[in-house]
Amino acid sequence: AQRVTQPEKLLSVFKGAPVELKCNYSYSGSPELFWYVQYSRQRLQLLLRHISRESIKGFTADLNKGETSFHLKKPFAQEEDSAMYYCALTKAAGNKLTFGGGTRVLVKP
Amino acid sequence: DAGITQSPRHKVTETGTPVTLRCHQTENHRYMYWYRQDPGHGLRLIHYSYGVKDTDKGEVSDGYSVSRSKTEDFLLTLESATSSQTSVYFCAISEGGGTGTGELFFGEGSRLTVL
Repeated sequence: AQRVTQPEKLLSVFKGAPVELKCNYSYSGSPELFWYVQYSRQRLQLLLRHISRESIKGFTADLNKGETSFHLKKPFAQEEDSAMYYCALTKAAGNKLTFGGGTRVLVKP
Repeated sequence: DAGITQSPRHKVTETGTPVTLRCHQTENHRYMYWYRQDPGHGLRLIHYSYGVKDTDKGEVSDGYSVSRSKTEDFLLTLESATSSQTSVYFCAISEGGGTGTGELFFGEGSRLTVL
C-alpha cells in the first residue's frame, strides 16, 4: 500500500525566510511524486512534479529515494505563498493519486 | 480553469437521507475522481472512473456509490448519509493514458453537512 506523510500541519515563517515542507512516502515500487497547492478561494492545482525537475514560483523539490522523501523548499518565502500544500504520490504511469494530510503555510509580513 | 463544475456547491441534509453530488466536465478527459477533504487527513480517494461505466473503489468507498453513464458526468451518491460523511467533496479529472501524467484538475468542491 502507498502512503504519504506530511508531519507538519502548520508552518509559520516570516517573509524572506526559507521554508521547507516535509514529505515522506512509503511505496515498494517506483513512485512519481507531486506537490499540489490550494490558495485561498482557489482550486487545488499542481505546483510541481519530480519528473519535470523544474522550479515553479521559486519552489523546488528533490526526490530522495534512499530517504523516501520529497521535501518542498523555497529560499525566500513571500506572502503570496501562504496556502495549503499537499504532497501526492502515484505509481509510475499510474493515474490514481494518494495525498498526504497537507501542510498549511502562513507567511507573515 | 479546466472545465469542471460541481453541484450542488453547498448542501445541508439530515442523517439517513440520500444525497447525490454531480461532477460535470467539458474537457473530454478519460479519468474522473471523487475525493473527500478532511482536516488532518488531506484528500482521500472515494471512487474513480477510467471510462464510461468503468469505475473502481478508492480507499474510503464504504457508504458511497458512483455512476458514469456519460463521459462528461460522474455522480457520487451517499445512499444514507451519516454525520461522518460531513466533508468537502472534490471532483477531479485527468487525461490519463499510458504515461500517467498524474496531473489532476480539480473542481471547486462541494461542502456537505449531515446533521
